[in-house]
Amino acid sequence: AQSVTQLGSHVSVSEGALVLLRCNYSSSVPPYLFWYVQYPNQGLQLLLKYTSAATLVKGINGFEAEFKKSETSFHLTKPSAHMSDAAEYFCAVSEGGGGNKLTFGTGTQLKVEL
Amino acid sequence: DAGVIQSPRHEVTEMGQEVTLRCKPISGHNSLFWYRQTMMRGLELLIYFNNNVPIDDSGMPEDRFSAKMPNASFSTLKIQPSEPRDSAVYFCASSSSGFSPEAFFGQGTRLTVV
Repeated sequence: AQSVTQLGSHVSVSEGALVLLRCNYSSSVPPYLFWYVQYPNQGLQLLLKYTSAATLVKGINGFEAEFKKSETSFHLTKPSAHMSDAAEYFCAVSEGGGGNKLTFGTGTQLKVEL
Repeated sequence: DAGVIQSPRHEVTEMGQEVTLRCKPISGHNSLFWYRQTMMRGLELLIYFNNNVPIDDSGMPEDRFSAKMPNASFSTLKIQPSEPRDSAVYFCASSSSGFSPEAFFGQGTRLTVV
């Protein structure tokens, strides 16, 4: 069975500071991994995905994530936070291939302060 | 493409009434997912379909919930009878079994059962 653990339900950073949102996964097969962002009263939007190609994945809005198999991690980073990054972020895992269900973490609420 | 379309966006109903949520997936996608989001339980997968066939409905909370996908362009999630604890945001998502396995989400239906 696949699962995702997101450490920290709330993260607060200053504008311009590094953003680091943590995600660890469990999967019995090589996984596909995703980060989604959710703004208030909206659906989930894909930030980036890992599908067994390059381990460092770049996404939209300056975010990137690195797949580390030895650590079973897929942490999300952004060098410099912007006020518009305030949202909830979800890590998700799929056991490879299309048409397979995504299992989501519990989410991390990112707050960006002046 | 207009993306995944859900209707209605908001639904307020009285306890005991039947509620039907609707979803139109992205054209060409062959997998469809229904998720429920609450503060207490986060994002839960209720059911998913591949090629219009239900693959995993283990997340459906009880017999009051049912989902159908009569064709590749339409799905419904029905709750009968509805209860206040069903109040949540319900998301529909679709994906393709091709190279890009990520799921694309609709804007959600906010259900309130009073």
